[in-house]
Amino acid sequence: AQTVTQSQPEMSVQEAETVTLSCTYDTSENNYYLFWYKQPPSRQMILVIRQEAYKQQNATENRFSVNFQKAAKSFSLKISDSQLGDTAMYFCAFMKQTSGSRLTFGEGTQLTVNP
Amino acid sequence: EPEVTQTPSHQVTQMGQEVILRCVPISNHLYFYWYRQILGQKVEFLVSFYNNEISEKSEIFDDQFSVERPDGSNFTLKIRSTKLEDSAMYFCASSEIWGHREQYFGPGTRLTVT
Repeated sequence: AQTVTQSQPEMSVQEAETVTLSCTYDTSENNYYLFWYKQPPSRQMILVIRQEAYKQQNATENRFSVNFQKAAKSFSLKISDSQLGDTAMYFCAFMKQTSGSRLTFGEGTQLTVNP
Repeated sequence: EPEVTQTPSHQVTQMGQEVILRCVPISNHLYFYWYRQILGQKVEFLVSFYNNEISEKSEIFDDQFSVERPDGSNFTLKIRSTKLEDSAMYFCASSEIWGHREQYFGPGTRLTVT
């Protein structure tokens, strides 16, 4: 079974600064996907970024980038130039590469961006 | 942009009643999922569905729960006899079978059991 751990229940950052959210996972799989989802107060789950485990290059999406360390089973999210709209709960999630596999989520990190 | 929709947005029901939560997945997606999130907790997998049958279910998905694709667009989750602990946000998600396999979530249905 897979487990995902987010050790930072809460974080805060000043607007325009950079923040990094941590995630570690445990699996015996070699091929898998990792995701970061954002959940604002509306509670909608929004996909932020995706990483395939077979790719060495770290994924980036505009202000969002990841630091994927496969050997260490670490998958952190960096948010640059933080904006007030980034305030949300962020969930790290693991999925096996097999089609239709479940997502296994971490406990989440509540990020607050202060003006 | 295509999106997953869910109805109702909020459902209040009495303990012991049956509820049906509805979802319309993205039209070209073939895998469908239900997840739940008890307030303040992480999102938990309930069930996945493909080709008109359950492909995987979690230990949470007991005999009280069932899923169905009654027509070409809807995907439903039924809870037969609700309990207080079923109060949660229920999310539907869908994904493609090939290519990008990320799951796209609907806005959720907040279920309150009184």
